[in-house]
Amino acid sequence: LAKTTQPISMDSYEGQEVNITCSHNNIATNDYITWYQQFPSQGPRFIIQGYKTKVTNEVASLFIPADRKSSTLSLPRVSLSDTAVYYCLVGDGGATNKLIFGTGTLLAVQP
Amino acid sequence: GAGVSQSPRYKVTKRGQDVTLRCDPISSHATLYWYQQALGQGPEFLTYFNYEAQPDKSGLPSDRFSAERPEGSISTLTIQRTEQRDSAMYRCASSSAGVGNEQFFGPGTRLTVL
Repeated sequence: LAKTTQPISMDSYEGQEVNITCSHNNIATNDYITWYQQFPSQGPRFIIQGYKTKVTNEVASLFIPADRKSSTLSLPRVSLSDTAVYYCLVGDGGATNKLIFGTGTLLAVQP
Repeated sequence: GAGVSQSPRYKVTKRGQDVTLRCDPISSHATLYWYQQALGQGPEFLTYFNYEAQPDKSGLPSDRFSAERPEGSISTLTIQRTEQRDSAMYRCASSSAGVGNEQFFGPGTRLTVL
């Protein structure tokens, strides 16, 4: 089974850039890497998805090295409202396509 | 519908009772997922459907858990003979065809087994 590893928590201040790295050594060739954000008492919300190199949207960037064994979610100029748990998600490295959420990183943004 | 809906939002039951949770996905979405999320933990995959087919149910914790999606739209998750350890948030999500596409989550059902 694919397994992901993320830092348990990170602290930041408003206006800073935050980079959260996820390790996924057993990622399969066809798997995509997806990041989700979850606020307390809400379901996870999609942030960004990528396969390789760099992907950017209006809220974040995703950097994926050539070996795809890790990925980095970059949040530019965070605000207090970005305080949440961030999950890295990859498809199962096997044939079942089981999706496994990572351990999650609690990002705390302070004023 | 406009989004994924789940009912009930809260369910309190006594140990040994059966419960059925309902998920109504986004109407155009072929794929539907069930997750179990304990307090302070990440969502744990239970099972998923492509239309009415259920390719993978290996995430279901025991044979007391079952899920259906008979017409490829609404899905139900049934837990028989509930136990206290079944207490958790049960989340449903849907996506367009193909596992791995962006998943849209419902508000969840908070199950408490007394």
